[in-house]
Order: sequence, then C-alpha cells, then structure tokens
Amino acid sequence: KAGVTQTPRYLIKTRGQQVTLSCSPISGHRSVSWYQQTPGQGLQFLFEYFSETQRNKGNFPGRFSGRQFSNSRSEMNVSTLELGDSALYLCASSFPTGGENTGELFFGEGSRLTVL
Amino acid sequence: AQTVTQSQPEMSVQEAETVTLSCTYDTSESDYYLFWYKQPPSRQMILVIRQEAYKQQNATENRFSVNFQKAAKSFSLKISDSQLGDAAMYFCAYRSAFAGNKLVFGAGTILRVKS
Repeated sequence: KAGVTQTPRYLIKTRGQQVTLSCSPISGHRSVSWYQQTPGQGLQFLFEYFSETQRNKGNFPGRFSGRQFSNSRSEMNVSTLELGDSALYLCASSFPTGGENTGELFFGEGSRLTVL
Repeated sequence: AQTVTQSQPEMSVQEAETVTLSCTYDTSESDYYLFWYKQPPSRQMILVIRQEAYKQQNATENRFSVNFQKAAKSFSLKISDSQLGDAAMYFCAYRSAFAGNKLVFGAGTILRVKS
C-alpha cells in the first residue's frame, strides 16, 4: 500500500511569490491535515480537510490556504511568501475509525520550502 | 488551549539500555488521546505508541511503553533494550477527542543511541 506522497520534495522561492504544495493520501483515507515544522516554532497545525471540507484550522494568516479534491488529494497554497515561511510542510492522512476518531496519522516525507 | 511540554531537548542512551523521555501536557478536557511520534533524520514521522485518556492501563508496543499519569498530566515514554535504529527526534502529541486530527506537539527530544 503506497504511503502519503508529497510533491515537490524541495523548492526554493523568493519573497512575494506564491507556492502550491500537493499531498496524495493513502488510498481510502479521507482526512488530510497539514503541519508546518520549523526549528523555532516546532510543529504547528495548519488545517485539516475531510471529505473536501475544512474541518479544523490553526492560527495561521489567511495567506495560508488549502483545499481537498473528491479523490481526497489535497493542496495547500501560501501566497505572498515571507522569509519566515521557510519550513518543512508535512501532510498527514487518516481514516477515521468510528465515533472516537482514533485514526492514526500517517505522515508524508514533507515538502521543504526555502524562501529567499 | 492545550499545551505539550517536553523538557528534555536531548537525551543519550547506550545501546541495549533503557531510556525514558518525559512529556507533560495541560488541558481542561477529559477525553483526549496522547501519542509519541518518532522522526528519524530526513525521514518521515511514524507513530510509536498511542494512549487513550479513558484507559487506565498503560499502552505497550514491544520495546516501547508509556507511563500515563492522568492526574499529573504526565505521559512519559520508556524505550527498553535501545537499538541504534531508535535514534531520532521524538515528539509527544495531544489530540482532543473533539478536534478531528489536530495534533498539538511538544518541542521534541533528540535521542542519541551510543554503540
């Protein structure tokens, strides 16, 4: 069974540009969440999508947005890039089980964004 | 808001020995889940062990076990018979039972295993 796939793995952008990152979840998983990982702030939750609807959102500015398609693939977009947006962006997918939502999160290898 | 604190930025252990990583959390909720995730260098994060807050019994997965103290809001990870492959960053994480898949992570503990 293929794991969570994130593309691109590495990218370099300049300030003011925008970027789109893609995440293909494990087949059958309907929940996709995104996290930002930086040395200073650690791992921070960006947002979660479930069945094409945003279910949760973290405390990030509106420059950070996302969406999910009918096949559960997800994209996140960052507009007007700032130096501080340089980070490893992790995507995780899950298949919620029952009403307790105890589904394990399966992470991708991440997309490393460098903003110059 | 919930917070997770890992007070040990770095730990070292001799191969085959036992090491304990500490984690405390703060929440006013009664239903939640706690996790330890492992992130090897340049590799993807994987789940090590999970604990449901309503379960009194401590979770165990092979060489990995937790000491879950709900009243003290403590959730430590014990790794027995440490192996070189255990070297990684370990993150403690909290998830509310009512917040989908939003994880609140601690700052992480780098575990070094010496041969």
